[in-house]
Amino acid sequence: GAVVSQHPSWVICKSGTSVKIECRSLDFQATTMFWYRQFPKQSLMLMATSNEGSKATYEQGVEKDKFLINHASLTLSTLTVTSAHPEDSSFYICSALGGFGNTIYFGEGSWLTVV
Amino acid sequence: QQQVKQSPQSLIVQKGGISIINCAYENTAFDYFPWYQQFPGKGPALLIAIRPDVSEKKEGRFTISFNKSAKQFSLHIMDSQPGDSATYFCAASSSGTYKYIFGTGTRLKVLA
Repeated sequence: GAVVSQHPSWVICKSGTSVKIECRSLDFQATTMFWYRQFPKQSLMLMATSNEGSKATYEQGVEKDKFLINHASLTLSTLTVTSAHPEDSSFYICSALGGFGNTIYFGEGSWLTVV
Repeated sequence: QQQVKQSPQSLIVQKGGISIINCAYENTAFDYFPWYQQFPGKGPALLIAIRPDVSEKKEGRFTISFNKSAKQFSLHIMDSQPGDSATYFCAASSSGTYKYIFGTGTRLKVLA
């Protein structure tokens, strides 16, 4: 089946630094990818929709200058958390649209801890 | 109107029992309703999904019941097993957007 890979699986960074999380579709082309954030024991909240070759569309309340999204190719989207703060610590999950039947496939998620 | 309400928040079921999780939505533009299973520290995995043109869909031990007029849908897990212990999320989306609105989640524990 189609696989969506996220890297890194977990990352710890210092407050004020930036960190990049990658989302790759391994065996299919994904024109659209989605980024979600999930705080512990809470639901997944859609942050933004990433379309290959164009600017991402952010959901209401999500700071586009803080969460930079780049979808440079049909198999890769990146989320960069800029000037990270402890409140940005969360589980970030991407999903990709593509493959047989235009299906949504979720990645395994990336844990971000800001200290 | 974009919310998807899910209940119960947590559920404890004996092995072999039936687990039932309910979701309700308001946006009539939603036309795709998937259920996801998530284990701690992992991404969600698709279990089963339904569209409004059918009232029920069954795959193995998992069944979705859909009530279009009430704008409600539910997941039934038959013969629940300890390995089913996880958090379950319902979701909804509209055609063409693929933007999922997730429910609040149900933590299921199946006792051995």
